[in-house]
Amino acid sequence: AQSVTQLDSQVPVFEEAPVELRCNYSSSVSVYLFWYVQYPNQGLQLLLKYLSGSTLVKGINGFEAEFNKSQTSFHLRKPSVHISDTAEYFCAVSENTGFQKLVFGTGTRLLVSP
Amino acid sequence: DVKVTQSSRYLVKRTGEKVFLECVQDMDHENMFWYRQDPGLGLRLIYFSYDVKMKEKGDIPEGYSVSREKKERFSLILESASTNQTSMYLCASSSRTGGFSLHFGNGTRLTVT
Repeated sequence: AQSVTQLDSQVPVFEEAPVELRCNYSSSVSVYLFWYVQYPNQGLQLLLKYLSGSTLVKGINGFEAEFNKSQTSFHLRKPSVHISDTAEYFCAVSENTGFQKLVFGTGTRLLVSP
Repeated sequence: DVKVTQSSRYLVKRTGEKVFLECVQDMDHENMFWYRQDPGLGLRLIYFSYDVKMKEKGDIPEGYSVSREKKERFSLILESASTNQTSMYLCASSSRTGGFSLHFGNGTRLTVT
């Protein structure tokens, strides 16, 4: 079975600074990878996903992530964050065979301050 | 835009009550899911359904059941609510051809006293 590890439960950063949110996964088969964002009092929204092809994936709101198969990682990056990026970010993995069942990490809270 | 609507934003129930959480999606998606979200634990899959009247157990099905009588509606049932079921419940849907993208509702925060 697959699993996801988000080592950082909280990442504080100043506005306009770069940020990286780390995600590592474990699976015995090939996977699809996702980042979702949850703003306060809302459900989750898809930021970006890797299904196949280029390992560098660009998403909404200026975020991007790189799939690294050898390191089983899918870290999320943004070169310059805004106050409005304050939210909780979830990494998720799904095996690319069979049913679409996503397994989520425990989340990383990004706190952007002025 | 896909809309997933959860009938209640906040719900307070007593221990032992039977609780229904309702979810409706308007995009004719085949797949529907119920997750539970708890601080420090992320999202955990309770049940999912890939067709009408079909259901499959997720990772934490104990104490829950589901019903999917119509394609657009997926209900989560707590047969006898307990305090350890106090949580945020998130419903999601996806299309079989949608590249695995889940569309989430805004959640129902359930408190069992």
